[in-house]
Amino acid sequence: NAGVTQTPKFQVLKTGQSMTLQCAQDMNHNSMYWYRQDPGMGLRLIYYSASEGTTDKGEVPNGYNVSRLNKREFSLRLESAAPSQTSVYFCASSESRTGGELGGTEAFFGQGTRLTVV
Amino acid sequence: DAKTTQPTSMDCAEGRAANLPCNHSTISGNEYVYWYRQIHSQGPQYIIHGLKNNETNEMASLIITEDRKSSTLILPHATLRDTAVYYCIVTGGFKTIFGAGTRLFVKA
Repeated sequence: NAGVTQTPKFQVLKTGQSMTLQCAQDMNHNSMYWYRQDPGMGLRLIYYSASEGTTDKGEVPNGYNVSRLNKREFSLRLESAAPSQTSVYFCASSESRTGGELGGTEAFFGQGTRLTVV
Repeated sequence: DAKTTQPTSMDCAEGRAANLPCNHSTISGNEYVYWYRQIHSQGPQYIIHGLKNNETNEMASLIITEDRKSSTLILPHATLRDTAVYYCIVTGGFKTIFGAGTRLFVKA
């Protein structure tokens, strides 16, 4: 199993360009996430999808849009890239937390997409 | 989700136990304690999690105090490959928040 696969691994954009980061998981997980990590800092949640057909904002959603295309795929779009969006982007997936059973499942992360906006 | 406080960095001698502390004094009753680590610039890797009881797996042990306000991750025999940033996270929902973590240096 590949786990969580992100494409591309590296990307350089010019300010104002748009692009979509792709993420796919093969573990049949219900929940998927997008994080960004700036140098020397922890991960910050951009958007998440608790289950297929739903998406919600995380800590830092401005400047991004997401699409949960199906259960396997969760994409992140930058409509007009800015230098402040230079970062490493990580996608993750986990079993969903349903009913009253909150927590209890671990997240699996992809290897990241290193994005530079010039 | 509750916030956590971890030391910025720690050193450990190779072969010795590494004990990484975490304070989470505002933890709620339905929130779990998770530990992840990030080696160099790779994606974070799950280590262990717990709710109330101490937990052990092939990677580490997790000790949670009785009042659940703090916990300790124990790597029983640290190796050079355990050098990484270790994140302690408290979460009961989907908005899992990562702090800055503890940078563990394992020295030969």
